[in-house]
Amino acid sequence: AQKVTQAQTEISVVEKEDVTLDCVYETRDTTYYLFWYKQPPSGELVFLIRRNSFDEQNEISGRYSWNFQKSTSSFNFTITASQVVDSAVYFCALSEEYSNYQLIWGAGTKLIIKP
Amino acid sequence: DTGVSQDPRHKITKRGQNVTFRCDPISEHNRLYWYRQTLGQGPEFLTYFQNEAQLEKSRLLSDRFSAERPKGSFSTLEIQRTEQGDSAMYLCASSSGGKETQYFGPGTRLLVL
Repeated sequence: AQKVTQAQTEISVVEKEDVTLDCVYETRDTTYYLFWYKQPPSGELVFLIRRNSFDEQNEISGRYSWNFQKSTSSFNFTITASQVVDSAVYFCALSEEYSNYQLIWGAGTKLIIKP
Repeated sequence: DTGVSQDPRHKITKRGQNVTFRCDPISEHNRLYWYRQTLGQGPEFLTYFQNEAQLEKSRLLSDRFSAERPKGSFSTLEIQRTEQGDSAMYLCASSSGGKETQYFGPGTRLLVL
């Protein structure tokens, strides 16, 4: 069973539009961590955010914001006023005590920002 | 802090040859991870080290793969008798502990002809 689901394989928007990337997870643990990473065409995975299961506060960092909702097991990522440089594959990942905190990855969402 | 570095960045080899990749983690990070990523897929876990001890290996890691971290600092991943199916991006990451964030290097792209 897939533990991290990123249902959107590819999203394409025009620059300056807002876009939300969905992430749904499954876990039996009460202690777990959720992550988002960005992978631009160069290939390097860039860490964006880490959230623990006890902190449901939404987070904003510049144009990026994250909405963590335990009730729906979701950890969605929104880019406001998208820019061409945001084009990349974005991965959501889960680490849980049950799996010895090994990262469990979603399949990724390819985001294309058109000028 | 300098980030995670990997060498080489690209490697082209012929089937049957051996290749070795190196990863230098962020200094003071005691955990080091190796992943493999093929086109259009997420990273797949291969193995990880806590200091110099290799604590877990994935079933993906066949007998042709071996990893070392002899002094608990840099690590090497060797693939013997490469096959075309080994063509992938090999990613290294490090963290300061099991629960902590993994930071990734730029990866080594391997192409086996």
